[in-house]
Amino acid sequence: GAVVSQHPSWVICKSGTSVKIECRSLDFQATTMFWYRQFPKQSLMLMATSNEGSKATYEQGVEKDKFLINHASLTLSTLTVTSAHPEDSSFYICSAGGGRGVTDTQYFGPGTRLTVL
Amino acid sequence: RKEVEQDPGPFNVPEGATVAFNCTYSNSASQSFFWYRQDCRKEPKLLMSVYSSGNEDGRFTAQLNRASQYISLLIRDSKLSDSATYLCVVTRSNDYKLSFGAGTTVTVRA
Repeated sequence: GAVVSQHPSWVICKSGTSVKIECRSLDFQATTMFWYRQFPKQSLMLMATSNEGSKATYEQGVEKDKFLINHASLTLSTLTVTSAHPEDSSFYICSAGGGRGVTDTQYFGPGTRLTVL
Repeated sequence: RKEVEQDPGPFNVPEGATVAFNCTYSNSASQSFFWYRQDCRKEPKLLMSVYSSGNEDGRFTAQLNRASQYISLLIRDSKLSDSATYLCVVTRSNDYKLSFGAGTTVTVRA
């Protein structure tokens, strides 16, 4: 159990385009999902916390208008990178809690590798 | 100062060897501690939680020293499959969200 999927697994796009990444909890409901970004040889950095039915909470320094998060159901959260630029190229990983909120064990998706040309 | 700091390594060890490494965390109010394993270009996977009394899971032993604010991981009888990056993870004291270290790379050679 506790499987989280992400789609797509990798994407290459031109500068200026928008990219949507989906995160799904396959066998459990997740009221809270988290979006992380990881640059090469660096740690995972939390970008935002996605709350089902309400607005996402963004970490300091993360532009909410650039990284749009929607958590419309208990099993799906989406991250849209708007007007992507080469510096947005990174490994984006989502995780989902088991339903009791932020203190729950987090299960990670397989990640999405974004390359912006 | 980073919330979680780790020696990046790499630690290159022969099969069967014991390897150990630490991480330090900056916030003394942190409550929960974990070691995750991350293989190249993959997502992190929980290896084990770390408890104050120390805990063991097979060949892996984790220790927590709250006074000195460091966590250790020891791998005994290393296998080739242990080659990975090990991430030290600490929950933030104010909201219990996860702070990740940059990882310690371990390479086990035949």
